[in-house]
Amino acid sequence: QVQLQESGPGLVKPSETLALTCTVSGDSISRYYWSWIRQSPEKGLEWIGYIHYSGDTKYDPSLQSRVTISIDTSNNHFSLRLDSVTAADAAVYYCARRGNWGLASYFDFWSQGTLVTVSS
Amino acid sequence: DIQMTQSPSSLSASVGDRVTITCRASQTIDIYLNWYQQKPGKAPKLLIYGASSLQGGVPSRFSGSRSGRDFTLTISSLQPEDFATYYCQQAYSTPLTFGGGTEVEIK
Repeated sequence: QVQLQESGPGLVKPSETLALTCTVSGDSISRYYWSWIRQSPEKGLEWIGYIHYSGDTKYDPSLQSRVTISIDTSNNHFSLRLDSVTAADAAVYYCARRGNWGLASYFDFWSQGTLVTVSS
Repeated sequence: DIQMTQSPSSLSASVGDRVTITCRASQTIDIYLNWYQQKPGKAPKLLIYGASSLQGGVPSRFSGSRSGRDFTLTISSLQPEDFATYYCQQAYSTPLTFGGGTEVEIK
């Protein structure tokens, strides 16, 4: 069974960098695309971006100037870096696997979610 | 960006009721629409992908359909464990976007 587990600080100061890592077990990270998604009461569910081991990466344009997603195939994990955070970045952050069936893609495995608070 | 508009935002229903939730895309997304169920404090769970394909392990009382840019999630006979919030998500183009959610409450 595929499992995803995030790790990283739950509290980030304004203007600093949010950094989370998602460790994948039960599957090779080289087989799929992997995403970060966040959820807040104000904005609902928001896709942040995805990465493939080949280096193919896509970000939400509204976050593109501040976000970096990277992948470490040797340790089977991928990471999120979000620079210059503000209160608007406070949310529950999820990592997820993007599965596919033909041309249809979907998020079929999710982490439990980690709450990130932005406060000094 | 493709906007996904869900309706209603909430509904009250009883066990055994047939429940229908609608999602409209702001432009064509072909069949690339997914439905998720989320319970409090948990991650979303995939129910339906490709507008009408049932994810493995999901009960057959859940079904999805498409008519143009309109998509429907139907629960044929609501069960106690189905009280949750449901989200649609378009997978046609990036940025991938979600609907605002429909909370299904106990009447």
